[in-house]
Amino acid sequence: DAKTTQPNSMESNEEEPVHLPCNHSTISGTDYIHWYRQLPSQGPEYVIHGLTSNVNNRMASLAIAEDRKSSTLILHRATLRDAAVYYCILRDPPGGTNAGKSTFGDGTTLTVKP
Amino acid sequence: DARVTQTPRDKVTEMGQEVTMRCQPILGHNTVFWYRQTMMQGLELLAYFRNRAPLDDSGMPKDRFSAEMPDATLATLKIQPSEPRDSAVYFCASGFFGTLINQPQHFGDGTRLSIL
Repeated sequence: DAKTTQPNSMESNEEEPVHLPCNHSTISGTDYIHWYRQLPSQGPEYVIHGLTSNVNNRMASLAIAEDRKSSTLILHRATLRDAAVYYCILRDPPGGTNAGKSTFGDGTTLTVKP
Repeated sequence: DARVTQTPRDKVTEMGQEVTMRCQPILGHNTVFWYRQTMMQGLELLAYFRNRAPLDDSGMPKDRFSAEMPDATLATLKIQPSEPRDSAVYFCASGFFGTLINQPQHFGDGTRLSIL
């Protein structure tokens, strides 16, 4: 599996934007970039995913570098409820036997200060 | 919203006992995953099924762990005999993966297992 690298921890102030980086220098041309987050005492939840273009949804934005070797998850206004571990993972494209299979690294623990 | 349901939520038992964890995937999802999470190892994939058939169980200790899908609405993970090192949170996740679709996984809230 292609590997991702994330900072262990980051801090943010409430209501400020947060940029969570992820490096994936060995990404293949067809790997999708997915982000999940895990709130305390819960299972991971899906945040966003993309292939090449930047993506926006109600939770966050995903900015993908032109060479696809890195990406950034953007929370536009952090709230206390955004404090979680954020995982950046790579996934096979649709149709493959390994579709859906992915390796979760250690993620980035985001602390949001009031 | 549809949810993945895991039971029991918490389980405490003694070493050597059989443990069975259950998962009800979201209706219509064709792929079910079992993960284990510990402080030391993080989130590890144990096994996964597509259309009820096992695709990969290479992450699972074969001598004591077994995973099955008796039907499309139930996945089970069994440990026999259990050992203290099996103490962890076990997550089930489901999703739909097809030729053209790359959907996200939906996780349950996990079973917190403690082996004394």
